[in-house]
Amino acid sequence: NAGVTQTPKFQVLKTGQSMTLQCAQDMNHNSMYWYRQDPGMGLRLIYYSASEGTTDKGEVPNGYNVSRLNKREFSLRLESAAPSQTSVYFCASSEIGYTFGSGTRLTVV
Amino acid sequence: AQSVAQPEDQVNVAEGNPLTVKCTYSVSGNPYLFWYVQYPNRGLQFLLKYITGDNLVKGSYGFEAEFNKSQTSFHLKKPSALVSDSALYFCAVRLNFGNEKLTFGTGTRLTIIP
Repeated sequence: NAGVTQTPKFQVLKTGQSMTLQCAQDMNHNSMYWYRQDPGMGLRLIYYSASEGTTDKGEVPNGYNVSRLNKREFSLRLESAAPSQTSVYFCASSEIGYTFGSGTRLTVV
Repeated sequence: AQSVAQPEDQVNVAEGNPLTVKCTYSVSGNPYLFWYVQYPNRGLQFLLKYITGDNLVKGSYGFEAEFNKSQTSFHLKKPSALVSDSALYFCAVRLNFGNEKLTFGTGTRLTIIP
């Protein structure tokens, strides 16, 4: 009964470092999403995947890449982290409404 | 394009009083509408949704919302506020067909004053 699981929960990176945020869902949903949450800006869509094998850009894709490894897993990669990418990142999966993971708090220094 | 407006960044309500968190939407067709709640350092949790049928939707923790098509609104309400209702609330909209993405509002911080 896990729903959507994100790892890690916290991360501090130095500018220029790379990392991958992992997301897995056990609800057999086709669609998965990555959002970032910043104060006063709500949730902004980074990338989404409507089904296994497909990915599309959202509102703020620059500086990120994604992989839909299989139906369960959807990872987000920062190739060269920048301070502007300091944020809280949420993964979600959906049929009609969304189920969210608990988030990854990322700080880039 | 679809959009959601939550006109109030902050709403303060005395404990025991009724509360309303406002949401208006714009979508080119019939909507699915949602409310989510976020407690500190947590992910977003589903509260309620309007898909079709009765315009008054009841959800978790005693919350309800009324779909008003003519005013394109979906305000969240509760008859008697609890201190534990203090949180960040997000309204979201999508089209009612296909595999459409949700568009979220910027959130309203609700504070219940003891």
